[in-house]
Amino acid sequence: ETGVTQSPTHLIKTRGQQVTLRCSSQSGHNTVSWYQQALGQGPQFIFQYYREEENGRGNFPPRFSGLQFPNYSSELNVNALELDDSALYLCASSLDFVGYEQYFGPGTRLTVT
Amino acid sequence: AQSVSQHNHHVILSEAASLELGCNYSYGGTVNLFWYVQYPGQHLQLLLKYFSGDPLVKGIKGFEAEFIKSKFSFNLRKPSVQWSDTAEYFCAVPPGRRALTFGSGTRLQVQP
Repeated sequence: ETGVTQSPTHLIKTRGQQVTLRCSSQSGHNTVSWYQQALGQGPQFIFQYYREEENGRGNFPPRFSGLQFPNYSSELNVNALELDDSALYLCASSLDFVGYEQYFGPGTRLTVT
Repeated sequence: AQSVSQHNHHVILSEAASLELGCNYSYGGTVNLFWYVQYPGQHLQLLLKYFSGDPLVKGIKGFEAEFIKSKFSFNLRKPSVQWSDTAEYFCAVPPGRRALTFGSGTRLQVQP
C-alpha cells in the first residue's frame, strides 16, 4: 500500500510569484485535505476535495485554490505569494469525507523571500 | 465551532518519567477527539482517537487518553516516557465532519 506522497519536498519562491504543490493520495482514498503549518503552530485547514469537488474551506483567501483529478491526486495553487505564506504544506487523504482518519504526507516546505 | 487548546507548549522530561499533556475542547455537540504525533522529520501520524464509548482510549506506543466530559478535557498520558517519544504532539477535533482543527501543539523533549 502506497502512502501519501507530496512534491516537491521544498522550494523557494519570490513574493508575488505563483506556486503549485502536488499530492498523491493513499491507494483507495477519494478525499484530499490540505493544511498549512507555520513554524511552531498546528496545521491549519485550507480546503478539502471529495471526488473532484471542493468540499469545505478554511479561512484562506481565494488566491489559495486547488484541484482534484480523477485518480484523486490533488494540486494546491497559491497566487501572488506573500512572505506569510512561508510554511509547511501538508496533504492528507482519507476514505470519504466522513473518514476522520486522515493519513498525512511528508509535506512541502515553501519559503517565500 | 469546535476548537481545541493545548496549554503546555514545551515539556522537558527525563526518561522513565510520567507524561500528561493537556487538551481542552470547546463544546459543540457530538465530540470526536484525536491526538496526533509528529516525530522529527516524519509525517503526522495518528496516536489515538475517541468517538464514543469507553472514555479511556488506548493508542499506539503505550499512549492513552481520557475523555472527561465535565472538564472538556482529553489529556494524553504515558506512564513512562522514552527518548524516542521526543516529538510534537497535537490534539485535534473535526468540526463539520470534514477536516481537522488542530491545537497549537506541545513539543516534548525527553532527555536520556
